[in-house]
Amino acid sequence: QVQLQQWGAGLVKPSETLSLTCTVYGGSFSGSCWNWIRQPPGKGLEWIGEVNHRGGTNYNPSLKSRVSLSVDTSGNQLSLRLTSVTAADTAVYYCARGFSASGRYPNPYFDSWSQGSLVTVSS
Amino acid sequence: QSALTQPASVSGSPGQSITISCTGSSSDVGSYNYVSWYQHHPGKAPKFIIYDVTKRPSGVSDRFSGSKSGNTASLTISGLQAEDEADYYCSSYTSSTTYVFGTGTEVTVV
Repeated sequence: QVQLQQWGAGLVKPSETLSLTCTVYGGSFSGSCWNWIRQPPGKGLEWIGEVNHRGGTNYNPSLKSRVSLSVDTSGNQLSLRLTSVTAADTAVYYCARGFSASGRYPNPYFDSWSQGSLVTVSS
Repeated sequence: QSALTQPASVSGSPGQSITISCTGSSSDVGSYNYVSWYQHHPGKAPKFIIYDVTKRPSGVSDRFSGSKSGNTASLTISGLQAEDEADYYCSSYTSSTTYVFGTGTEVTVV
């Protein structure tokens, strides 16, 4: 059973950088693709991007210029950095495992999720 | 990329069936069978309930079923129960090799 536990600052000032880290327990870290997804208050889910165990990335075009995803395979961790944040980046952020029924790319399903953490952008 | 369109809310009585639509375009839902559905109780982690349009992950109730026609996918919940009250999101792979979620549907059991 895969479990994902994330942590990071819950309050970030405008124009600064949001940073979150997610640790994966159980399952195969190196055999999977890992995603970040967010949900602004009162709104729907938004896919931020994915990173594989080799560090290969794929981003939502609307965030691509500000987002960076990375992995630390020795610690089974994935990280998110979002620069130049504004109030619009206030959201609950989730990390999630990407799943492929065929065993090949793409990994279009999110079968295990973290509990999520609220990040508020405010001065 | 634009979010897939879902009705804001759907309601039903216990035991009834309800259907939630998810409308995209020929760049996502219409071109790929990589459609999935998620059940989200506020404050908890979303739960993966449908993939490949119609398949259920192990352990998911067979009261949940999926289908697709053209650019629109659908989730049907049969035998509606109080525990089904939650938000539901569809998701699709896109021709830009990204993933897009639906706008979300609040299901109420009245």
